[in-house]
Amino acid sequence: QQPVQSPQAVILREGEDAVINCSSSKALYSVHWYRQKHGEAPVFLMILLKGGEQKGHEKISASFNEKKQQSSLYLTASQLSYSGTYFCGTEVRTGTASKLTFGTGTRLQVTL
Amino acid sequence: AAGVIQSPRHLIKEKRETATLKCYPIPRHDTVYWYQQGPGQDPQFLISFYEKMQSDKGSIPDRFSAQQFSDYHSELNMSSLELGDSALYFCASTVVGHEQYFGPGTRLTVT
Repeated sequence: QQPVQSPQAVILREGEDAVINCSSSKALYSVHWYRQKHGEAPVFLMILLKGGEQKGHEKISASFNEKKQQSSLYLTASQLSYSGTYFCGTEVRTGTASKLTFGTGTRLQVTL
Repeated sequence: AAGVIQSPRHLIKEKRETATLKCYPIPRHDTVYWYQQGPGQDPQFLISFYEKMQSDKGSIPDRFSAQQFSDYHSELNMSSLELGDSALYFCASTVVGHEQYFGPGTRLTVT
């Protein structure tokens, strides 16, 4: 099943903060976060392994709650370059097979 | 650093024609994934290969087939093309369990 992201879309002014949530009904091995700009390939942001870890990347950080099968992406002091569609990808592993299922996406627009 | 290479970048085909998309993964990556992304949609997983063997299959139509060759490049073969096959097709490569690196995509237009 496809993970569900919320909100579906958000508009921010430059400098504001945002949180994007990703929820899955499956037991997950990891959660990946990607940002995609229109017509371009998704760009990897970060990966969170099960264990409830939190990671940071510049002003973007994320957490993974293994028990709830939820992950959140935190964008602080947003910049115009943050605009794009954010996808979480939930990873399920079976042996050597690893399958990433992308979430429904959150469209983020940062304005002046 | 080397990235994932896809060719062609753009492809225009007519209905019922065939198309072949190629993907060259990052060196030493052992896993290749194919995704299809329609306008305004999230990437849909089609198929994956681990060490040249098919490892998982998603929503790939029977008209499509794929393989990974001895040099690790992969090809997605699409036959009897339909209008609904028009989409961006991404290939991604990884070392299993790590982040996926996406190629620039092939934009397929079926007319």
